[in-house]
Amino acid sequence: GQNIDQPTEMTATEGAIVQINCTYQTSGFNGLFWYQQHAGEAPTFLSYNVLDGLEEKGRFSSFLSRSKGYSYLLLKELQMKDSASYLCAVRVLRSNDYKLSFGAGTTVTVRA
Amino acid sequence: GAVVSQHPSRVICKSGTSVKIECRSLDFQATTMFWYRQFPKQSLMLMATSNEGSKATYEQGVEKDKFLINHASLTLSTLTVTSAHPEDSSFYICSAEVLGTEAFFGQGTRLTVV
Repeated sequence: GQNIDQPTEMTATEGAIVQINCTYQTSGFNGLFWYQQHAGEAPTFLSYNVLDGLEEKGRFSSFLSRSKGYSYLLLKELQMKDSASYLCAVRVLRSNDYKLSFGAGTTVTVRA
Repeated sequence: GAVVSQHPSRVICKSGTSVKIECRSLDFQATTMFWYRQFPKQSLMLMATSNEGSKATYEQGVEKDKFLINHASLTLSTLTVTSAHPEDSSFYICSAEVLGTEAFFGQGTRLTVV
């Protein structure tokens, strides 16, 4: 199976920056995704990394180091609406198909 | 991004009955659809992978006779929870993707079995 670890909770102030780390141990790695999920809703796509390095998309950036099995999601200029759960997911190639394995999620609370 | 529509969003059923959940990709043809289950404050757990026209691949521990998956076309997959029991109450989410791209998630279905 895949071991995907991320912190359970983080709290930050509006306007600040928060970095959510994710470590994974897997074989057949085929990309790492970050999703945002508000309570009771389905996840929405934030970012995708398959090669090492930083991907920037507006206020959100994601970094990947495949050799270290490590990724982070950086949220800048935090807004109240960014309060949500952030899911790290690893896509793994299997013999006949592939699957996404999710971490337990990091609940980010943004305070005024 | 692409739109995946999941229906119903909420359903309450009596113990012992069956419930069907639909997942449709509205503006693209999905090579693969996935079904997940999520319990409160837990992550998404993959239940099965579904390819159009072939049998679904179930994850270990998921009863294929209880969770029937039909993938009749490139835009529709259904999950039927048969003989539902209270422990089946959960948030069920589908996703659809074209090979090699991101997964697009449906809105989710909150199932409550009473």
